[in-house]
Parts: sequence; C-alpha cells; structure tokens
Amino acid sequence: KQEVTQIPAALSVPEGENLVLNCSFTDSAIYNLQWFRQDPGKGLTSLLLIQSSQREQTSGRLNASLDKSSGRSTLYIAASQPGDSATYLCAVNTGGGNKLTFGTGTQLKVEL
Amino acid sequence: EAQVTQNPRYLITVTGKKLTVTCSQNMNHEYMSWYRQDPGLGLRQIYYSMNVEVTDKGDVPEGYKVSRKEKRNFPLILESPSPNQTSLYFCASSRRELAYEQYFGPGTRLTVT
Repeated sequence: KQEVTQIPAALSVPEGENLVLNCSFTDSAIYNLQWFRQDPGKGLTSLLLIQSSQREQTSGRLNASLDKSSGRSTLYIAASQPGDSATYLCAVNTGGGNKLTFGTGTQLKVEL
Repeated sequence: EAQVTQNPRYLITVTGKKLTVTCSQNMNHEYMSWYRQDPGLGLRQIYYSMNVEVTDKGDVPEGYKVSRKEKRNFPLILESPSPNQTSLYFCASSRRELAYEQYFGPGTRLTVT
C-alpha cells in the first residue's frame, strides 16, 4: 500500500529565505507526482506535475524534483514571501483509477 | 475559466437526513473523483468515475453513493449521513490519461450532528 510522508509538518521562515519541502513515498511504481497548495477555506491549487520519467519541473520561484528510485520529491521555493504561507501537499498517482495518494502536508508560514 | 465547482460550500445537517453534494467541471474531463480530508489522515478517495456511467469505489466508499449520468457532473450522495462523515469534501477532475494533472474544486465542509 502506497504511503506518502511529508516532513516537516510545519515550518516557519523569515521572508526572503529559500526553503525546501520534502515528500517521500514507499512504492516507486508511480505515474506522476503532483504538488498542491491549500489555503484555509479554499480548495487545492495545483502547483507542479512531474511525470515519472522526469527529474524536475519549474514554475516561477518553484522547482520540484523527483527521484523515483529512492521514493523522494522536494519542492524548492526561492525567495519566500508572506503570500507563500499555506499548506503544501504532495500526491502520487499510482494508477488504479487515477487515484492520488496524498501526504498530510507541510504547513508553511512566511513571516515579515 | 476552467474550473471545478461544488455546491454547497458549507452544510450542517442532522443524522439520517439524505443530502447531495454537487460537482461540476467545464473542462470536458472524462475522469472525476471525490475525496474527503480529515485531520491527521490527509485526503482519501471515496469514489471515482472514468467516464459517463462508469464509477468505482475508492478507499473509503462506505456510506456514500455516486452517479455519472453526464460528463460534466458527478454528485456525491449521502443517503443516511452519520457524524463520522463530518469532513471536508473535494471533487477533482482530469483527462482520463494518467499523465494529466488533476484539478480540484473549492471543497464542501459538511457537519453532521
């Protein structure tokens, strides 16, 4: 059974700092991995999608990497801003009805 | 604007009173699914549909029903809600092929008393 772990559960950093969020999964047989952002009272916003054949994806200040063989992904956020404060979720797609298996998230707070 | 919509966004109901949460997408996606989110448990899949009239159980289907009569709609039905179904519910959609990203609705917060 696929299990996804995100460490740390919570993180507080000063504005401007570069930071890394970690995601690990137990079964390397994945089709893709997706990073989401969740704001309080709002839905999930897709940030990046990495296919199993890819090593990384970039969007603006965000860079996500994938090491499928070791079951790890990282989300790098450059020059963090208070508006980046949210919960970040990673999810792996192992097929089987296109199901996403989610981690429990990292709650990020960027302080002025 | 491409989006997944859910209604209602907030709902408080009593045990046993049937309810339906609607989900609609305007992206012509074949795949739709429902998840629930609970503290400490993350998001778990309830049901999914690969296309019209094709539905299947996810990880936590007990107490829920779904139907997919139209491509754009995928309602979640709780025929006899119980307090353990108090949760935050999300609908998602995507292209059927596994390579495509999934889009989520804004969520429905359900409280069953």
